[in-house]
Amino acid sequence: DAKTTQPNSMESNEEEPVHLPCNHSTISGTDYIHWYRQLPSQGPEYVIHGLTSNVNNRMASLAIAEDRKSSTLILHRATLRDAAVYYCILNNSGGSNYKLTFGKGTLLTVNP
Amino acid sequence: DTGVSQDPRHKITKRGQNVTFRCDPISEHNRLYWYRQTLGQGPEFLTYFQNEAQLEKSRLLSDRFSAERPKGSFSTLEIQRTEQGDSAMYLCASSNPDREGYGYTFGSGTRLTVV
Repeated sequence: DAKTTQPNSMESNEEEPVHLPCNHSTISGTDYIHWYRQLPSQGPEYVIHGLTSNVNNRMASLAIAEDRKSSTLILHRATLRDAAVYYCILNNSGGSNYKLTFGKGTLLTVNP
Repeated sequence: DTGVSQDPRHKITKRGQNVTFRCDPISEHNRLYWYRQTLGQGPEFLTYFQNEAQLEKSRLLSDRFSAERPKGSFSTLEIQRTEQGDSAMYLCASSNPDREGYGYTFGSGTRLTVV
């Protein structure tokens, strides 16, 4: 499985932007970059995914490097409810990388 | 659409007993996954169904574990002769590759405690 590398933890203040980095230097051409987050005592929740172009949705933005070897999840204004573990995962539903393989993720702490 | 439902939410059992968990996926999702998560770790893949066919099983899934998905709808995960090491959160997820834009949807999990 293609691997991703994320910082173990990050800290932010409420209402400030947060940039969560992810390195995936062995990404294949057909791998999508997925982000999930997991709040305490809940299952993981889909946040966003992309292939090559930057993506925006109501939860976050995903900035993908031109060489696709890294990406950044951007929370534009962190709230206390964004405190969670964020997972960056490579996935390709039609290929061998069809299942989600989780690492330890980044624990985001949001300070009031 | 009520999302992925898992039952029960919590289960406490004595070592050696059998337990069964149920997962009801989103109705139009043909893929179903089981994961296990221990404290401080990310979820670990256990097994995967496409419709009723079980297409992959992790080496983590010992012969005490069995999963089924009759008729390609709900799924059950059974653990026989439970051990204390089986204590974990068991998560179910479903997806539809024709709707990948919506990602995988996870249930809230079943927390198993073996005493």
